[in-house]
Amino acid sequence: EAQVTQNPRYLITVTGKKLTVTCSQNMNHEYMSWYRQDPGLGLRQIYYSMNVEVTDKGDVPEGYKVSRKEKRNFPLILESPSPNQTSLYFCASTRLAGAEETQYFGPGTRLLVL
Amino acid sequence: AQKVTQAQTEISVVEKEDVTLDCVYETRDTTYYLFWYKQPPSGELVFLIRRNSFDEQNEISGRYSWNFQKSTSSFNFTITASQVVDSAVYFCALSFINDYKLSFGAGTTVTVRA
Repeated sequence: EAQVTQNPRYLITVTGKKLTVTCSQNMNHEYMSWYRQDPGLGLRQIYYSMNVEVTDKGDVPEGYKVSRKEKRNFPLILESPSPNQTSLYFCASTRLAGAEETQYFGPGTRLLVL
Repeated sequence: AQKVTQAQTEISVVEKEDVTLDCVYETRDTTYYLFWYKQPPSGELVFLIRRNSFDEQNEISGRYSWNFQKSTSSFNFTITASQVVDSAVYFCALSFINDYKLSFGAGTTVTVRA
């Protein structure tokens, strides 16, 4: 079954405690990205990756890091989380330059930073 | 830069009524994709449709239909004979072809009452 998985699904943490949200896809997609969803703001892209070792900033990259060492994984790293990073996070993947450029989204990770 | 506007924040209807969700977009590019996603109360993002800017044909899928009018930069979505299970937040989004970053509207919350 084609899917994008994220872990953890729910996380409560404290300011300054480094955390990583994992994202993995089993569709051999080249493109992966992270979005955050906040009330009234819709979804905004944080970072994206066009392929292994190729990453770039989206609209709201401040306070986040990513890496793409393997094609299937695209972890989101918060080195020093702050309360304004409390949000719902989605990972997405899609095939590049294909006939079916559908973006598949993971189930979401709800993060609360105290 | 591109922008997607969903002017309707919330719509409430009684079951079996039709409901139309408006989506207006701005882009200087001539080639792009338009999308609709559904986010039910459970929180996941469900892909509904992708439309290429070259293709202005309207589309119908069951009780869902989409009206794409390039002249007015609109991509409206109609649910016919709404059901309680249609209650969700619906997002319209745009991406450039070969760019893949999705720019989302703020979403429209649809509530269908029994």
